[in-house]
Amino acid sequence: DQQVKQNSPSLSVQEGRISILNCDYTNSMFDYFLWYKKYPAEGPTFLISISSIKDKNEDGRFTVFLNKSAKHLSLHIVPSQPGDSAVYFCAARLGGGSNYKLTFGKGTLLTVNP
Amino acid sequence: KAGVTQTPRYLIKTRGQQVTLSCSPISGHRSVSWYQQTPGQGLQFLFEYFSETQRNKGNFPGRFSGRQFSNSRSEMNVSTLELGDSALYLCASSFGGGLSSNEQFFGPGTRLTVL
Repeated sequence: DQQVKQNSPSLSVQEGRISILNCDYTNSMFDYFLWYKKYPAEGPTFLISISSIKDKNEDGRFTVFLNKSAKHLSLHIVPSQPGDSAVYFCAARLGGGSNYKLTFGKGTLLTVNP
Repeated sequence: KAGVTQTPRYLIKTRGQQVTLSCSPISGHRSVSWYQQTPGQGLQFLFEYFSETQRNKGNFPGRFSGRQFSNSRSEMNVSTLELGDSALYLCASSFGGGLSSNEQFFGPGTRLTVL
């Protein structure tokens, strides 16, 4: 049972355009969501996060939107740059106590073409 | 501040052998989590250690085990290796002390190949 789903294995966009990466989840107890970026031969690096009490968080070119009623979040990258080409993972954390386990989606490979 | 380090970076073993992977967290971080990454399954949580105690565990067989030392360094062991254990094993550290520790910092991983 996959609780965090990234239904698009890959996405290709032109440099300068917007990239939208989507993530759906099933567990309404998730209280914190994170996006990680991963280059080949490197570990994932933290990109941006959002608490379940918010619906938007912005950091430079990156914005994450959360729609709790739809159990859906998305990462917007504007404008997209070739250096953004990487695998993007959506992750979710269960709320409360000391449960720091993150549940990850399978990732979306973003390719930004010059 | 030095990042998360993992050793070795690459490892080749044969079926039936056992392997031990090592992870040194960021200085001051007390939580260490281990993940297995495969092309078909993405990142799957193995277990998390905090203050030398296993605090969370994923759905992996008992062949996968770990421990954490007093300096927060962690090791992961896989016994009786199977071909399907070939994967990138990632270690992540975080402060682990409350809501401020949501972000985990990953090491570069150990690429394990089982022949």
